[in-house]
Amino acid sequence: KQEVTQIPAALSVPEGENLVLNCSFTDSAIYNLQWFRQDPGKGLTSLLLIQSSQREQTSGRLNASLDKSSGRSTLYIAASQPGDSATYLCAVLNQAGTALIFGKGTTLSVSS
Amino acid sequence: GAVVSQHPSRVICKSGTSVKIECRSLDFQATTMFWYRQFPKQSLMLMATSNEGSKATYEQGVEKDKFLINHASLTLSTLTVTSAHPEDSSFYICSASFPGLAEYNEQFFGPGTRLTVL
Repeated sequence: KQEVTQIPAALSVPEGENLVLNCSFTDSAIYNLQWFRQDPGKGLTSLLLIQSSQREQTSGRLNASLDKSSGRSTLYIAASQPGDSATYLCAVLNQAGTALIFGKGTTLSVSS
Repeated sequence: GAVVSQHPSRVICKSGTSVKIECRSLDFQATTMFWYRQFPKQSLMLMATSNEGSKATYEQGVEKDKFLINHASLTLSTLTVTSAHPEDSSFYICSASFPGLAEYNEQFFGPGTRLTVL
């Protein structure tokens, strides 16, 4: 059974710092991996989607990497801003494309 | 990206009543819609997958008679929580996917519905 773990559970940094969020999954047979942002009491905003054949994706200050063989992904946030404060969720889609399994998330707080 | 809406965004009801939550894909035809539940500080957990015109497929441990899912059209799926109890209080989020993105199997998420059962 696929399990997704995110470390750390919470992170506080001052504005301007670069930071890395970690995601690991137990079954490497995935279709893709996706990073989401969730603000308190809100739905999900998709940040980056990495296909199983890809190694990384970039969007603005965000860069996500995928090492499928070792079951790991990282989300790198450059020059963090207070507006980046949110919970970041990692999710893997099984190979059949039928089930998206989520981690518990990392709650990020960026202070000004 | 594609837009998915949910209604209502928040609902408070008395124990024993039934609550219906709607999920709509606004700018595409969703062949498949998914319903998730999220308890505080927990992961989103998939409850069921529904394909337009057919019965929903429920995940293990989810009572299909309690959580009724209807996907009658390509733009609308509904989740009805029947005889709701306080332990059903949670954040319910739907998502939708459609053939145009079959290569990516990307799901687009709604904003969620906060259900509180008194």
